[in-house]
Amino acid sequence: GNSVTQMEGPVTLSEEAFLTINCTYTATGYPSPFWYVQYPGEGLQLLLKATKADDKGSNKGFEATYRKETTSFHLEKGSVQVSDSAVYFCALSDRTGGFKTIFGAGTRLFVKA
Amino acid sequence: EAGVTQFPSHSVIEKGQTVTLRCDPISGHDNLYWYRRVMGKEIKFLLHFVKESKQDESGMPNNRFLAERTGGTYSTLKVQPAELEDSGVYFCASSQVSLTSGNTIYFGEGSWLTVV
Repeated sequence: GNSVTQMEGPVTLSEEAFLTINCTYTATGYPSPFWYVQYPGEGLQLLLKATKADDKGSNKGFEATYRKETTSFHLEKGSVQVSDSAVYFCALSDRTGGFKTIFGAGTRLFVKA
Repeated sequence: EAGVTQFPSHSVIEKGQTVTLRCDPISGHDNLYWYRRVMGKEIKFLLHFVKESKQDESGMPNNRFLAERTGGTYSTLKVQPAELEDSGVYFCASSQVSLTSGNTIYFGEGSWLTVV
């Protein structure tokens, strides 16, 4: 079946540092990758997504490019802020799986001032 | 437009009691999902409704969990009797599939369940 593997955390960075959270997946059909974020005490929010190969999703300074050849969707941000501290989840929806969305284990990010 | 709403937001119950969680999806969304995240672990799929029908309930942990979606609108997830290992955050999500943009699911705030 499909699976999502993402970088284990926690990740601790200083403000303005560069962030990368790796995400790779295995999928048998037609996957669409996503990144969701959960801020402390809040629910899950869609951060960004891609619908086809080489698409780049972007939002709030975060970016991720869907690389079909490496089955990856790594999340990046050039300069993190304290307010980016949260748990980030890589996810995958597969058309052949009835569009069921599966998630990685989540990566907790701490940004220090 | 209102998002996915869940109730209650927090619940503390004793082992052996019953809890019912409610989810109101985004209006017009045929797909409704339940997910669960136990402490520090991944978000696990529980089940998927399309309108009032259960499309996939492969993630339901055992028969203490019962989900319904009468009339294809809101859904309830009942845990009876609750056990300690049921503690976690229960997320509801909804979506409307688009052939061009796929299936983006939108989550509620979650129902945080603690069984003591």
